[in-house]
Amino acid sequence: DAGITQSPRYKITETGRQVTLMCHQTWSHSYMFWYRQDLGHGLRLIYYSAAADITDKGEVSDGYVVSRSKTENFPLTLESATRSQTSVYFCASSERELTGESKSPLHFGNGTRLTVT
Amino acid sequence: EDKVVQSPLSLVVHEGDTVTLNCSYEVTNFRSLLWYKQEKKAPTFLFMLTSSGIEKKSGRLSSILDKKELFSILNITATQTGDSAVYLCAVGSWTGNMLTFGGGTRLMVKP
Repeated sequence: DAGITQSPRYKITETGRQVTLMCHQTWSHSYMFWYRQDLGHGLRLIYYSAAADITDKGEVSDGYVVSRSKTENFPLTLESATRSQTSVYFCASSERELTGESKSPLHFGNGTRLTVT
Repeated sequence: EDKVVQSPLSLVVHEGDTVTLNCSYEVTNFRSLLWYKQEKKAPTFLFMLTSSGIEKKSGRLSSILDKKELFSILNITATQTGDSAVYLCAVGSWTGNMLTFGGGTRLMVKP
């Protein structure tokens, strides 16, 4: 089925380990995003990408790395996980820029719940 | 720095009540305001607003934007238990293609 899928759904890792969260979309959307969601902070943007090989930092990018070698994939890597990175991570995509005329808002994956012990 | 503030943080009502959720924002080069509903998983899109004073409506839900006072409200009439969720407000800016989200309002509707 078309859509946006994240894997794994749940992950437990230890402090200092590298972990990669996967995101795959089948719509060929140009724009992809990574958000983290924490109580009291809502959704905060980590990184986004306007197209393959084009990425840019969001509000909370420290400690994270992304790549976009193919349009459909946008993996997020925590280089050395810390407890403060325990969170729910959402990947999202959009077909075009989020203009006022756009009828295609962000489409979210179901999230990855990451726990760093 | 762009900022979106939602109130109240949480709300408990009974079925049939009407609720109003608030979203205020400070955004450079405002482009659009969006409302999302989040149950257990991914947020799902409700409305996008770009013009002041024009109400968007979908069933029992409606929303309006005031660009002069920099806020939006989401109204839910005749609430049902299925309306229980976190409601997220997000604002888009012309500066960069991204959304800034508020912290959400958690609504619980009791039977």
